[in-house]
Parts: sequence; structure tokens; C-alpha cells
Amino acid sequence: DTGVSQDPRHKITKRGQNVTFRCDPISEHNRLYWYRQTLGQGPEFLTYFQNEAQLEKSRLLSDRFSAERPKGSFSTLEIQRTEQGDSAMYLCASSPGTGGGAGGTEAFFGQGTRLTVV
Amino acid sequence: DQQVKQNSPSLSVQEGRISILNCDYTNSMFDYFLWYKKYPAEGPTFLISISSIKDKNEDGRFTVFLNKSAKHLSLHIVPSQPGDSAVYFCAASARYNFNKFYFGSGTKLNVKP
Repeated sequence: DTGVSQDPRHKITKRGQNVTFRCDPISEHNRLYWYRQTLGQGPEFLTYFQNEAQLEKSRLLSDRFSAERPKGSFSTLEIQRTEQGDSAMYLCASSPGTGGGAGGTEAFFGQGTRLTVV
Repeated sequence: DQQVKQNSPSLSVQEGRISILNCDYTNSMFDYFLWYKKYPAEGPTFLISISSIKDKNEDGRFTVFLNKSAKHLSLHIVPSQPGDSAVYFCAASARYNFNKFYFGSGTKLNVKP
């Protein structure tokens, strides 16, 4: 399967604990995105990488959230000191592209990591 | 401030009939639009897209129509099949930032056999 892969699929954690999620994009895709989806809502943009550079961060991404893509391949999303409001589906997506100025293109999503903070 | 809106949370259609899902947007800078389908416990799957230079795009049973003056797009599925039952999300991006997608809240389609 050469699609976007996310690990773990499910995570239950106690409030105050740190969690880290991993995303492996489609191998030839330069762009990688993190989205968050809560019940009854559509995905909300969190952050975006062009290769290893993090080019945009949403205001939704508080200081407790950090994302990395160290070698321009896989990415990690860490949440420190989790809160109950962090409970959501965290979606990773990737798309092809060679840099700024490229036209619109679809993003391919992984199956997501469902986080439950108790 | 929701820039992409799907005002119908659910839609029920008989198998073989047409399904029409609607989406409205407020940002006039949006010029690339997508529809995604999502099954429970899975990530969204890309379905079809349209850029603002077109008003219609077809792919098999799926057609997306774009009305820029009304800031409205719709997805037509003909004929509808039970396997089409899923949540459908409309998404949009702007030419100044194609990499940021704004999603609607979704419409749950139920196709009855």
C-alpha cells in the first residue's frame, strides 16, 4: 500500500500526558499537511510542510503543539500536556508539488489518529 | 468564521436516483474546489475537483458544478448506489495559498436500496 500512513490509529491518554503521532506520506509527495477533525465538523488546517520546511501554522496550533518533518519524508505531531479539548481525529495528508506558484492539487489523506484524552 | 458551508447535514436518496449535494463559500479568492468522501473510521478520500476557470467537471457518475457568481458548487451523483453512502465534504483553496484547504462540515448521504 503506497498511500499515506498514520500511526497509531487510536490513542487514549490521560490529561497532562504528552503524545506523539507519526505520518508517512506518499513517497514522491513534497507537501505534507496536518488537519484536525472534531465530531460533526470538517477537517481544520493545522500546519503544512514543503519538504522539511514548515511554511504555515494555524492559530489552532497552540504552544503545546509542535510538528516536524526532519528529512522531508515522515512527519511527527507532538502534543504536550494534553487537555480534554485535544480529543479529536488528527489527519495527515500529502500532495505532489515542486514549490510556490504551483496550481491547485488534491491532497491524499491517511486514515487518521483518533486521540481521546481522559 | 466558516468560509465553506454545507447547510444540509444529511440527505437520503433512493438507489438509482440522482444525489445532489450542495456547498456555499464566502471567500471570493477561492478558486480551486474539491469534494471528498469519508467512510467511518477512515480518512477522507478525494473524489473530484474543479478550478474556477471551469463551471463543470465530470468523472464517471460524479459531476461537480461551479457557479462563481453565486459562490456555490454542487456535486451530482448519477445513478446513486448504496456504496455511495458516506459523508461528503466540500473543500476550497485560494490562489494565494493553494496548500491550505478549507472544509465544510459535511453532508451524510444515505442511498437506500
